[in-house]
Amino acid sequence: DAGVIQSPRHEVTEMGQEVTLRCKPISGHNSLFWYRQTMMRGLELLIYFNNNVPIDDSGMPEDRFSAKMPNASFSTLKIQPSEPRDSAVYFCASSLGWVNSPLHFGNGTRLTVT
Amino acid sequence: AQTVTQSQPEMSVQEAETVTLSCTYDTSESNYYLFWYKQPPSRQMILVIRQEAYKQQNATENRFSVNFQKAAKSFSLKISDSQLGDTAMYFCAFMKASGNTPLVFGKGTRLSVIA
Repeated sequence: DAGVIQSPRHEVTEMGQEVTLRCKPISGHNSLFWYRQTMMRGLELLIYFNNNVPIDDSGMPEDRFSAKMPNASFSTLKIQPSEPRDSAVYFCASSLGWVNSPLHFGNGTRLTVT
Repeated sequence: AQTVTQSQPEMSVQEAETVTLSCTYDTSESNYYLFWYKQPPSRQMILVIRQEAYKQQNATENRFSVNFQKAAKSFSLKISDSQLGDTAMYFCAFMKASGNTPLVFGKGTRLSVIA
């Protein structure tokens, strides 16, 4: 299995632009999580889905952030408009959703907003 | 809400020596899981070890072991015979044992193994 696949690996954009981060979970996994990592805050949960349905989006910092999971094999995290303080590494992770199932992380997208 | 605290932002250890990373957590749950993840410079998040709260025996994975003190809500990671490849950020994480729930992470400890 290829693991959780995130794209792009790096993204540099100007303030005000729309940014879309993509994630393909491991096939068969029914839970998907978006995390943001910064030096100041560490790893923060933004949102997570079970069976493509958003369960908890209380971690989404502002209305500028939105996430979708149109099917079991694809999810997006969109920031519109982007701001310099959104600069961070964004991780997607998936799991089987059982109590014992471990979380598998993608390699993250490093976002830089200038 | 659950919180995870790692009180050591940075640590260093000589190659072949032993080092212990601290982690405490706060929860009202009686059953849960605890994890240590390693994040090398490649940015990949790698599961190092996992502990079920209902198990009294401390988990061990080769050179990595934990000291789980449930009453004290403490979950430290011991790395024996440290290797240069152990240089990384280490994150302690908590998960409720109800399934389909996210991990709550500490802020991490940056470990440097020195030759």
